[in-house]
This record gives sequence, structure tokens and C-alpha cells, in this order.
Amino acid sequence: DVKVTQSSRYLVKRTGEKVFLECVQDMDHENMFWYRQDPGLGLRLIYFSYDVKMKEKGDIPEGYSVSREKKERFSLILESASTNQTSMYLCASSLFDRGRDYGYTFGSGTRLTVV
Amino acid sequence: DQQVKQNSPSLSVQEGRISILNCDYTNSMFDYFLWYKKYPAEGPTFLISISSIKDKNEDGRFTVFLNKSAKHLSLHIVPSQPGDSAVYFCAARPTQGGSEKLVFGKGTKLTVNP
Repeated sequence: DVKVTQSSRYLVKRTGEKVFLECVQDMDHENMFWYRQDPGLGLRLIYFSYDVKMKEKGDIPEGYSVSREKKERFSLILESASTNQTSMYLCASSLFDRGRDYGYTFGSGTRLTVV
Repeated sequence: DQQVKQNSPSLSVQEGRISILNCDYTNSMFDYFLWYKKYPAEGPTFLISISSIKDKNEDGRFTVFLNKSAKHLSLHIVPSQPGDSAVYFCAARPTQGGSEKLVFGKGTKLTVNP
């Protein structure tokens, strides 16, 4: 089974801190994604990457950046954390194979609270 | 503009009855549709999918129906169990040559009462 591992389940950070959320997948997937989930807003795409060192902005990239130096690792960076970035952050990966029918594999999520 | 819509934020059903979760889409260039289930404090997990060339797919208690002409799909859970209580996300995949990004609905929170 594909595993997508997010380094922390819960994080509490102070306003203005630089925050790193790490995600690692073990199945050689090309695509990796960062979402945030908020009540009533569903899953919103922050950034995604389709290859090492490649990245594209999603729907809500402001205040975030990403890094993909190795295929298996995709990091989300909050440059200066703010309270409106308190959320559940979800990492996902997928194979570039349109024969597959189950899309993404998600990590367990990181609940980030910015105080 | 939302391309995938789940118009019911929540749904409550009794244990043993049928749960029907609905999803509408506006883009006819989707070729695959998926349902994910999410428990609190966990990541979404894949539940069931359907190709645009089919109109029904079954997996145990879960059946997904696709009506392409109406751009509508639905997830049926029969019989519903308390453990099915979760948020369900509908997602759609663009056709070949399009982005690999899935387009998600906002989710429907299902509560199954014992």
C-alpha cells in the first residue's frame, strides 16, 4: 500500500513564525499536492508538484511556499504564520497513470493552530 | 466558479436506511469521478469511483450512479451504519491532456444515527 506520511499530527505555532510541514510518500509518485481543509470550504489546493523542483500554484497559494528537492518529499512552508492559517493541512500524492482509478492517496493530516 | 458541487452540507439518516449523497458538475470534460470519505483528524480515503463510460459501479454497500446527461452523480450507501458517519467528498478528474489535479466538491457530512 502507498503510504503518505506527514511529519506531525498536531502543531501549535506563534504568529510570525516560519513553519515547515513535511510530507513523504514511498511509492515513487510523480505528483504531490498540499491542501487545506476548513469547515464549509472543503478541500482547497495550495500548491502541487508534478516533478522534482517543479511546482505550480493552486487556488490559495498566498502566504505559502513549497519545496520539492527529492521525488518522495514535498514540503509546505508558511513564511510568516498568521492566525488565519489555522487549519487542517493535507498532503496527497498520485501516479501519473490514467489507468488508475483511485486518484490520490492522502496523508493523515496536520492540524496546525497559530496563536 | 465551482465545477463540482455538493449542495447538501449535511445529511442525517437512521441506521439501516439508505443514504444518498449527491454531486453535480458543470464541466463535461471530466472522465473519472471519485468519492472520498473523511473522518475527523484523518486524511480522506478513497471509497469508490466510476468512469464516465459507465453509469453504475458497485462495491459492497456502496454504489455510485452517474447520469452524464444531467451531469449528476450520487453515492448510495445501503444499509447505512453508524461507522459511515463521516464527511464525503465528490471529486472529478479532467480528461486526457488535462491537468492531473482532481476537482473536489465541498463535502457532505453524513451522520448515521443508531
